[in-house]
Amino acid sequence: ETGVTQTPRHLVMGMTNKKSLKCEQHLGHNAMYWYKQSAKKPLELMFVYSLEERVENNSVPSRFSPECPNSSHLFLHLHTLQPEDSALYLCASSQDWGGVGTEAFFGQGTRLTVV
Amino acid sequence: QQQVKQSPQSLIVQKGGISIINCAYENTAFDYFPWYQQFPGKGPALLIAIRPDVSEKKEGRFTISFNKSAKQFSLHIMDSQPGDSATYFCAASPNTGNQFYFGTGTSLTVIP
Repeated sequence: ETGVTQTPRHLVMGMTNKKSLKCEQHLGHNAMYWYKQSAKKPLELMFVYSLEERVENNSVPSRFSPECPNSSHLFLHLHTLQPEDSALYLCASSQDWGGVGTEAFFGQGTRLTVV
Repeated sequence: QQQVKQSPQSLIVQKGGISIINCAYENTAFDYFPWYQQFPGKGPALLIAIRPDVSEKKEGRFTISFNKSAKQFSLHIMDSQPGDSATYFCAASPNTGNQFYFGTGTSLTVIP
């Protein structure tokens, strides 16, 4: 148990559906991240929140919409996704964003399948 | 452009053998090099990390070797065990923030 909890663990959704992924960290960290993990590809950083403000958006399509209501919770709202968006979505947190060499703690991920 | 290149993609090692995974990078601003271990159904977990001011770091059976001039670093797993079977990711982070650039991963299988 890393202190980062993601729900749901698995999600199947149609291309016209709207769903949300949830992440919660109990570590008192100030930075939270969304990563996309696809087979045979590097983990792709999607969004970074530091102290509840978005500090990075790596050219992610608008069908992915993050929300960080407080420093412990992070959401990823999904709508009108494409089959190629099927992947493992990982949430992570670290003590700070600006500090160098701070360990990132990952959740177990949400396995998303878009049909 | 892939910032961190990792090889091999998969690796099979006999129990008791040495597993070696290599990574290379180009960006000289990278200042922190962690290795993550990921078991099926789990998120990546930090295994060991190194900064460029040292050439080697050892923690138990796991050693990182770092060659700053060649911009390469590698993970060595000594006395590999079946429980080490997992996917290993190298990563690099610049000195300006915590954005990690990951390699593509190496699937390690240790045969009993």
